[in-house]
Amino acid sequence: EDQVTQSPEALRLQEGESSSLNCSYTVSGLRGLFWYRQDPGKGPEFLFTLYSAGEEKEKERLKATITKKESFLHITAPKPEDSATYLCAVQANTGNQFYFGTGTSLTVIP
Amino acid sequence: NAGVTQTPKFRILKIGQSMTLQCTQDMNHNYMYWYRQDPGMGLKLIYYSVGAGITDKGEVPNGYNVSRSTTEDFPLRLELAAPSQTSVYFCASSKGGTSSPLHFGNGTRLTVT
Repeated sequence: EDQVTQSPEALRLQEGESSSLNCSYTVSGLRGLFWYRQDPGKGPEFLFTLYSAGEEKEKERLKATITKKESFLHITAPKPEDSATYLCAVQANTGNQFYFGTGTSLTVIP
Repeated sequence: NAGVTQTPKFRILKIGQSMTLQCTQDMNHNYMYWYRQDPGMGLKLIYYSVGAGITDKGEVPNGYNVSRSTTEDFPLRLELAAPSQTSVYFCASSKGGTSSPLHFGNGTRLTVT
């Protein structure tokens, strides 16, 4: 069964304090792993797609990496505007469905 | 760019009432999805469609119905609303094909009392 587990559930950082969010996945053939950002009262906003182990993607203070079993979202020198819930999802080769983790709620304190 | 538009934003229903959540997209995407999001539970797939006239059940389809008569629209129907259907509902679309990401609307917050 395809599964996605995210940790930690919640993370509080001081502004400038770098950290990483984890997404562990089990999927029968990975078509893609997706990272999203969700602000309160809004729909998830797409950040990155990763396709295979060893791949990396970057956008401003965010960098996503992936191995065969997990993906990390690294946040370098975060700012308060990075506060949001970050969601991870996978899509298997076998279907059209996306399976989401429960997310990590990130709070960056000024 | 409108993207994915959902209406209404908020709704309160009494137990047993029915309603339709509307979703429309202007990106000419073939694939459309309905998710519900409950605290601590993540996004759960209700129904999805790979094109006009084609729909499939997701993980949690009971109590819901969908139709897809056009590429743009994918309404979700709730019949005989129950308190367990209190949730935030998100509609999403994608181009389909290899690793096309989902584009989400801003959700409908539904309360059933």
